[in-house]
Amino acid sequence: DGGITQSPKYLFRKEGQNVTLSCEQNLNHDAMYWYRQDPGQGLRLIYYSQIVNDFQKGDIAEGYSVSREKKESFPLTVTSAQKNPTAFYLCASSMGLNYGYTFGSGTRLTVV
Amino acid sequence: GQNIDQPTEMTATEGAIVQINCTYQTSGFNGLFWYQQHAGEAPTFLSYNVLDGLEEKGRFSSFLSRSKGYSYLLLKELQMKDSASYLCAVRERYNQGGKLIFGQGTELSVKP
Repeated sequence: DGGITQSPKYLFRKEGQNVTLSCEQNLNHDAMYWYRQDPGQGLRLIYYSQIVNDFQKGDIAEGYSVSREKKESFPLTVTSAQKNPTAFYLCASSMGLNYGYTFGSGTRLTVV
Repeated sequence: GQNIDQPTEMTATEGAIVQINCTYQTSGFNGLFWYQQHAGEAPTFLSYNVLDGLEEKGRFSSFLSRSKGYSYLLLKELQMKDSASYLCAVRERYNQGGKLIFGQGTELSVKP
């Protein structure tokens, strides 16, 4: 079955460490997105990519980095420069403009 | 810029009907989506409107008025499992990234 997979589901990080969240899809979607969700809030866009080897900053890109070397993969690195990284991170992909997103199951990152 | 407003929380009774409103202001509109999100889980797609009018899908209906920048999600015959957060999202045009901009979500509590 096609889908979008995020791993790990839960992640703990010490302050000052970088950490990479995985996002893989086998839906053959061109566009992929990373959102962050804080308790009681909506989704805020971190980065997005409409095509391989190209990506754009979203509204809250500071302290994050991404790569898009393959169509199937869009990993997100949370760097030590991100001041408040504890959040629920959602990856999504999309087939095209008239379609919504397919979301992964999310990664809950906690800084300890 | 974009601005999406929806009520923070609503309460309704099992078996009743509830309407969740969403108003938006956007520089480029290419459709409006409604998602359902249970606590700690990824959002799931409910409906999509790009033209004015009502879209019905079982117990769920969604309405759009582009001239008014207004949409609503109507849930009929409420069930306890409908307790969740409901996210309104507007899609930007492709030349703006084609990405979804989300409201903060409406937390719906269904009481017996």
